[in-house]
Amino acid sequence: SQQGEEDPQALSIQEGENATMNCSYKTSINNLQWYRQNSGRGLVHLILIRSNEREKHSGRLRVTLDTSKKSSSLLITASRAADTASYFCATDGGTSYDKVIFGPGTSLSVIP
Amino acid sequence: GAVVSQHPSRVICKSGTSVKIECRSLDFQATTMFWYRQFPKKSLMLMATSNEGSKATYEQGVEKDKFLINHASLTLSTLTVTSAHPEDSSFYICSAVQGVAGNTIYFGEGSWLTVV
Repeated sequence: SQQGEEDPQALSIQEGENATMNCSYKTSINNLQWYRQNSGRGLVHLILIRSNEREKHSGRLRVTLDTSKKSSSLLITASRAADTASYFCATDGGTSYDKVIFGPGTSLSVIP
Repeated sequence: GAVVSQHPSRVICKSGTSVKIECRSLDFQATTMFWYRQFPKKSLMLMATSNEGSKATYEQGVEKDKFLINHASLTLSTLTVTSAHPEDSSFYICSAVQGVAGNTIYFGEGSWLTVV
């Protein structure tokens, strides 16, 4: 089953530009997390934002959360070719044991 | 930081045989681990929740007898694909929560299974 939905599903930008990816979900959550996955590899945790938070920053990453709209966005500023990867949002569905459900992901290509 | 290790990273097996994939939390205890399956260019699909000391909880549509999960200790969960078929070929990833619910979830590097 999938909870979140990413938009766009594919994004191609030039190096140095900003990349914005959006995620929508269906049920209530405790927190929302963003992950990165390089092709054929495992997931790297980027950032966790709790349901009572609206914005969070980590380096070049900025995540927002709007629980009224059940949506989140991930902004990568000053993108680099090394940022090329798939990005997934994941929500816990509000359960107590962190059963995390993933959205379909956004495939980001940063062109040097 | 917390690390989750999966083994093997790649495995090829013949149709009809069984293959076991291990998921270990290396520096923390995890009472709950999760197993996901990922097809090429697709997202992760939750297969089951692995509970230490009790039976796994499977998602709808996942065959329990096909995908055996054993959470033998607080640091180890195993996924056994029984009587493997080529359509079982996929990328399998496990995850574990460090500490209490709501904390960061850490993922293993994944295991590529190819059934020939």
